[in-house]
Amino acid sequence: GAVVSQHPSRVICKSGTSVKIECRSLDFQATTMFWYRQFPKQSLMLMATSNEGSKATYEQGVEKDKFLINHASLTLSTLTVTSAHPEDSSFYICSARARLAGVQETQYFGPGTRLLVL
Amino acid sequence: GENVEQHPSTLSVQEGDSAVIKCTYSDSASNYFPWYKQELGKRPQLIIDIRSNVGEKKDQRIAVTLNKTAKHFSLHITETQPEDSAVYFCAYNFGNEKLTFGTGTRLTIIP
Repeated sequence: GAVVSQHPSRVICKSGTSVKIECRSLDFQATTMFWYRQFPKQSLMLMATSNEGSKATYEQGVEKDKFLINHASLTLSTLTVTSAHPEDSSFYICSARARLAGVQETQYFGPGTRLLVL
Repeated sequence: GENVEQHPSTLSVQEGDSAVIKCTYSDSASNYFPWYKQELGKRPQLIIDIRSNVGEKKDQRIAVTLNKTAKHFSLHITETQPEDSAVYFCAYNFGNEKLTFGTGTRLTIIP
């Protein structure tokens, strides 16, 4: 159990365009999903917390108008990078919080999306 | 604010020897401490976690110890194998929901 998928796995886009990344919990319902960004050889930095049916909570320094998050159902959250620029090139990873039988809540990660903005 | 220090940043260990990675955190209210393993270009994989009501947890060759008084927790890998080579991240919960990650340790197992 606790499988999280992410799509696409890799995307190359032109500067100024928008890119949507999907994160799905495949075999459980996730009331909370998280979006992270990871630059090469660095740690994971939390961008925002996504709660189903409500507005996302963004971390300090993350522009909410640039990184649009929608969590319309208990199994899907989307991140849209609007007007992407080369400095937005990074590895974007989502995670979903799950409460599995006999196990307290923990976070499971998607496979990540590598974004390259030209 | 939240802060977590992870040491060492790189670690090379002879195959079969043990590896220890340590993290120090700042929020005394934290009660959940997971460790993740990340191979190049892949997702972080949860390998072990510990809650604040216990001081040690073991799963085969992997163990985690927690010292709440000193605010540090450690990952121990025994009988290391080449497939243990990866980047390891500690994390802890902040605000009872979010995870804050350490800076990572690149572990290399030398055959």
